Amino acid sequence: QSALTQPRSVSGSPGQSVTISCIGTRSDLGSYYYVSWYQQRPGKAPKLIIFDVNQRPSGVPDRFSGSKSGYTASLTISGLQADDQADYYCASLAGSYIYVFGTGTEVTVL
Amino acid sequence: EVQLLESGGGLVQPGGSLRLSCVGSGSSFSDYAMTWVRQAPGKGLEWVSTISGSGMTTQYAESVRGRFTVSRDKSKNTLYMEMNSLRAADTAVYYCAKDRWWERVTPRATAGFDSWGQGNLVIVSS
Repeated sequence: QSALTQPRSVSGSPGQSVTISCIGTRSDLGSYYYVSWYQQRPGKAPKLIIFDVNQRPSGVPDRFSGSKSGYTASLTISGLQADDQADYYCASLAGSYIYVFGTGTEVTVL
Repeated sequence: EVQLLESGGGLVQPGGSLRLSCVGSGSSFSDYAMTWVRQAPGKGLEWVSTISGSGMTTQYAESVRGRFTVSRDKSKNTLYMEMNSLRAADTAVYYCAKDRWWERVTPRATAGFDSWGQGNLVIVSS
């Protein structure tokens, strides 16, 4: 299975909104409503910030939101803060006990 | 929340073998599928393998199929990855991750990895 496609980088000023796209295929995003997003800071393990397309785990600010349409999922960060600067990865179920990750996006807060 | 502690990484020569371990806290560890994810230096996350809560079902990425074997020991709350015929391309930080789907509820109604190990560096080099 091929990796989901994400933009290499996005940037925004504090307070602005940024959106990260995640493009898949019929075998993953087109077949499952199980998209998750992860935030990863340098040298740290990834952290789940969105699951099941648009659900936030406890403790994740509502500035983070997710959506999906067809073969494309999106993560939007509203009210961008300096602390949001990190790498973000999407992931999708792609079969029974099979997952695929996105290529990753670096978010820069200007 | 389940805590995951990994061990077993290190330096190995090409063609060699290594076994990674991931110990989970909590009595319901065996009710969740577990996954290995790796990240090569400066690269993105790559799904490697998943094992069901019961251990009866395993899946592998094409890049490791036939060389890596995932297993789990319920009595020890431990997940393993046996890695054989290692290549330079296998050099990466390896993470174990817990699926958020509680397998006592079927069919699957959620997905994603809600707990991660700290990561374990594997270097394949002569």
